[in-house]
Amino acid sequence: QVQLQESGPGLVKPSGTLSLTCAVSDGSISSTNWWSWVRQPPGKGLEWIGEIYHSGSTNYNPSLKSRVTISVDKSNNQFSLKLSSVTAADTAIYYCARQATGGIYSWGQGTLVTVSS
Amino acid sequence: QSALTQPPSASGSPGQSVTISCTGTSSDVGGYNYVSWYQQHPGKAPKLIIYEVSKRPSGVPDRFSGSKSGTTASLTVSGLQAEDEADYYCSSYAGSNNLIFGGGTTLTVL
Repeated sequence: QVQLQESGPGLVKPSGTLSLTCAVSDGSISSTNWWSWVRQPPGKGLEWIGEIYHSGSTNYNPSLKSRVTISVDKSNNQFSLKLSSVTAADTAIYYCARQATGGIYSWGQGTLVTVSS
Repeated sequence: QSALTQPPSASGSPGQSVTISCTGTSSDVGGYNYVSWYQQHPGKAPKLIIYEVSKRPSGVPDRFSGSKSGTTASLTVSGLQAEDEADYYCSSYAGSNNLIFGGGTTLTVL
């Protein structure tokens, strides 16, 4: 069973860029899966941010598309999220995940990112 | 696109059955058989319990079942147990390589 672990700063200043990395273990990022990011504001529901295939092909949530970049690093078996021009509304627990057509099959433990000066 | 609609809360006594609905449109739930359900306990990551409307991943008890009729999907939990108390989220493929979630339902075991 693939394992996922998020890492990155827990505090980002407003108007800055949120950057997170997800390390994939017990499996190859070059397998036939999509790798995604999902976030959850404290006490609220889930929001899909986007996904990437090992080829580099990406799909993004239309509401976030202008600010999101997801990239893959096959040599280190990891993928990353960048979210620009952040505001307090971007404060959330960010999960990385393994996604296939039927659903999101594996989740990281999540990491809380707070946007504050 | 808008989030899928779920009731904020649901409840049942141990041993009973409870059904949680997830309403979308013909562009998401009604248009594809790619509805999935997730269970989330407090402070934990979500866990997939149903995929492709009615399929269960290995290890998920058969007390959990899913179905769909038109633009509404449903999750039924039979033989409620205390450990089933959690938040439940539905999601659906929404076309154009997009995925949307429901607002979540808090299930209370009385």
